[in-house]
Amino acid sequence: ETGVTQTPRHLVMGMTNKKSLKCEQHLGHNAMYWYKQSAKKPLELMFVYNFKEQTENNSVPSRFSPECPNSSHLFLHLHTLQPEDSALYLCASSQGRGTGELFFGEGSRLTVL
Amino acid sequence: AQRVTQPEKLLSVFKGAPVELKCNYSYSGSPELFWYVQYSRQRLQLLLRHISRESIKGFTADLNKGETSFHLKKPFAQEEDSAMYYCALNPTGSEKLVFGKGTKLTVNP
Repeated sequence: ETGVTQTPRHLVMGMTNKKSLKCEQHLGHNAMYWYKQSAKKPLELMFVYNFKEQTENNSVPSRFSPECPNSSHLFLHLHTLQPEDSALYLCASSQGRGTGELFFGEGSRLTVL
Repeated sequence: AQRVTQPEKLLSVFKGAPVELKCNYSYSGSPELFWYVQYSRQRLQLLLRHISRESIKGFTADLNKGETSFHLKKPFAQEEDSAMYYCALNPTGSEKLVFGKGTKLTVNP
């Protein structure tokens, strides 16, 4: 497996459920990102991790909880979400050297009922 | 505030026609700008970056600091160019890309 892999690709959950999105990169990169892509809105940066340390939390509600156990894995734990949180969640990785080149996964399509 | 504006949500051209996807940015520092592309059923990927001054798949983009623009151009569009195109700004050295809303390009036969 190469590149950036996200699972699950689709997720439907109720507002009281707890679920997690997983991202894995096989590129040897040091930085990982979560982006949210909603209809009619630009891609929104949520979190950035560099060498497993969180370096950015873009005012994301606490019902989204990221976890980065190592440079290759990134999780987004979801708890008591709202219907407006339904979106495509994209994971990305980069070398972390300021080149601006991100490598994206295919995304996890989340629907909150 | 950092902002990227792509004024056209949809753009439709015929094969062989020139195409220009517009991008304007708002940033007080020295910007790094990129174009990302997402073909149907594929993941978002980098198309080109202004610092490289390269032509990729026949596309070029020139940074115009006076007009704060980074428009993407191709002289002769092909059907396989049909995709979503996103302009992105990288605040210097941060890699926290700020994206525009995207333009869906359709190249008709």
